[in-house]
Amino acid sequence: GAVVSQHPSRVICKSGTSVKIECRSLDFQATTMFWYRQFPKQSLMLMATSNEGSKATYEQGVEKDKFLINHASLTLSTLTVTSAHPEDSSFYICSARDILNTEAFFGQGTRLTVV
Amino acid sequence: DAKTTQPPSMDCAEGRAANLPCNHSTISGNEYVYWYRQIHSQGPQYIIHGLKNNETNEMASLIITEDRKSSTLILPHATLRDTAVYYCIVRVRIQGAQKLVFGQGTRLTINP
Repeated sequence: GAVVSQHPSRVICKSGTSVKIECRSLDFQATTMFWYRQFPKQSLMLMATSNEGSKATYEQGVEKDKFLINHASLTLSTLTVTSAHPEDSSFYICSARDILNTEAFFGQGTRLTVV
Repeated sequence: DAKTTQPPSMDCAEGRAANLPCNHSTISGNEYVYWYRQIHSQGPQYIIHGLKNNETNEMASLIITEDRKSSTLILPHATLRDTAVYYCIVRVRIQGAQKLVFGQGTRLTINP
């Protein structure tokens, strides 16, 4: 299947700093990418839908100024957690869908710990 | 919100077939049923999807009832590496974007 790569896989940052997570589709072009967050023992929660060249669409309750999403090319979307706080500590996962709009493929996830 | 219902957990013996049920009684005629699984601390992995016919690939089989209100994912010869959370998802279309909305899934444990 298609490959979606996320970087970094783990990151620890101090409260108040910002962290950028990258999501790349390695062997296909992704017009749409999705960002999820997952807390321990819970399911994935969709945060936002990112479309190449346009603004992201955020789910209800997700602060767009705190979770900045950029989808500047067909193979790269980034999620920046701004002014991170310990409660932002979570597992962040991206997924990408190719132009033909078939099934979505997921990255390996990024575990963010804010201390 | 997800429109599927799955048992929270199941156990299966290694080497036996694992049958994971999913109810999706409100599914629309053009909505597909997708199955993903998530092994601990990894991103979800696509398994299989179907519309109305039964489907089979190298990982699993998907049996969809004639009324499409439920389906069963079958792992024919379960191994310890199949221990994971399995998500049954109905693919929805909202505002022109097709989202995958995850429910709580079934935590499948394969026992030696």
